[in-house]
Amino acid sequence: AQSVTQPDIHITVSEGASLELRCNYSYGATPYLFWYVQSPGQGLQLLLKYFSGDTLVQGIKGFEAEFKRSQSSFNLRKPSVHWSDAAEYFCAVYGQAGTALIFGKGTTLSVSS
Amino acid sequence: GAVVSQHPSRVICKSGTSVKIECRSLDFQATTMFWYRQFPKQSLMLMATSNEGSKATYEQGVEKDKFLINHASLTLSTLTVTSAHPEDSSFYICSARPRGQETQYFGPGTRLLVL
Repeated sequence: AQSVTQPDIHITVSEGASLELRCNYSYGATPYLFWYVQSPGQGLQLLLKYFSGDTLVQGIKGFEAEFKRSQSSFNLRKPSVHWSDAAEYFCAVYGQAGTALIFGKGTTLSVSS
Repeated sequence: GAVVSQHPSRVICKSGTSVKIECRSLDFQATTMFWYRQFPKQSLMLMATSNEGSKATYEQGVEKDKFLINHASLTLSTLTVTSAHPEDSSFYICSARPRGQETQYFGPGTRLLVL
């Protein structure tokens, strides 16, 4: 069965520093991968997605993610974090077309000044 | 584009009453909508998948008679929590998938508090 692991429950980064949030998935074929961000009390906003093609994908708000099949990973990165990036980040996977998203448990990002 | 709305955003009700939550895709047609439940500081748990014009598919452990889902049109799905109890208090989030696409777009969520 498909699964998603986000190893880091909580990360604190200084404003202006770089960020990498880890995501590992379990699926036999090429998955459809997503990163969503959730601010407190809000719904989820799509940051970026990977279906096929170039393994480095660009998203909104300056985020990017790299799909590495050999490591079953889809890590999210940002070169310079802003205080407004503090939120909950979820990695998710579709195993097959038509199925629902499977979410990781999320990583809480705190930004220190 | 791809905006999903939910109404109400917050609702407080008495134990034993029923509450209806609406999920609308504002600028696209959604053949499939999903309902999730999220407990504080936890991930989203899929409750059910709703396809327009057919019965919803519920995840294991979700009571279909308690959480009634109706997907009457390509832009509207409703979740009714029947005979709500305090343990039903949670954050309910819907998502919608545009026709022909794989990406899901999420609503802003509904905070339900049952007293």
